[in-house]
Amino acid sequence: DAGITQSPRHKVTETGTPVTLRCHQTENHRYMYWYRQDPGHGLRLIHYSYGVKDTDKGEVSDGYSVSRSKTEDFLLTLESATSSQTSVYFCAISDRDPAGGQPQHFGDGTRLSIL
Amino acid sequence: QKEVEQDPGPLSVPEGAIVSLNCTYSNSAFQYFMWYRQYSRKGPELLMYTYSSGNKEDGRFTAQVDKSSKYISLFIRDSQPSDSATYLCAMSATDSWGKLQFGAGTQVVVTP
Repeated sequence: DAGITQSPRHKVTETGTPVTLRCHQTENHRYMYWYRQDPGHGLRLIHYSYGVKDTDKGEVSDGYSVSRSKTEDFLLTLESATSSQTSVYFCAISDRDPAGGQPQHFGDGTRLSIL
Repeated sequence: QKEVEQDPGPLSVPEGAIVSLNCTYSNSAFQYFMWYRQYSRKGPELLMYTYSSGNKEDGRFTAQVDKSSKYISLFIRDSQPSDSATYLCAMSATDSWGKLQFGAGTQVVVTP
């Protein structure tokens, strides 16, 4: 298994509170991604990183921010959580150049419930 | 309309049968095609990775890509109860910075 650890694995919080999810990798891969998975929608890209301090928006980035200060850590922050952000969040990593295609390897997810 | 369409199932088959899964897509720029398997409460696990059109075989798994029809398939031979999972197709274009577009996933149940 790819060395990806997501924390926490489960979290319940209230609307309006800030939430930070962490993804830690031991593979020294350059590229890291945050997805959310919802029934009927599959996996949708929130943000991605192509190096330390280099990040960009994905398909569903509104309400989320990210930071990457070290190669191994990629943080996802919900500044003010809303019920629509209740989901399962997955981190993924890849070491391939974008032009070579990007098979990605996933962590086991964080289940986030916002009440 | 979604860029990638996948029948959500569930698809129920008896042990030993061939499982046939497919996805259709609308973006002709997609060049890289992947299949992932996802067990309940786990992350997706990469099964197959193919570039452009053609077939690829790995053990009991065969992936097919038909770019002219914008259609990809995954076949699982001699299915086992341990193959019961959700199967996700994913694809990306060369200039997309590796951003994958996923299908919604097909749930497969293999009954003993």
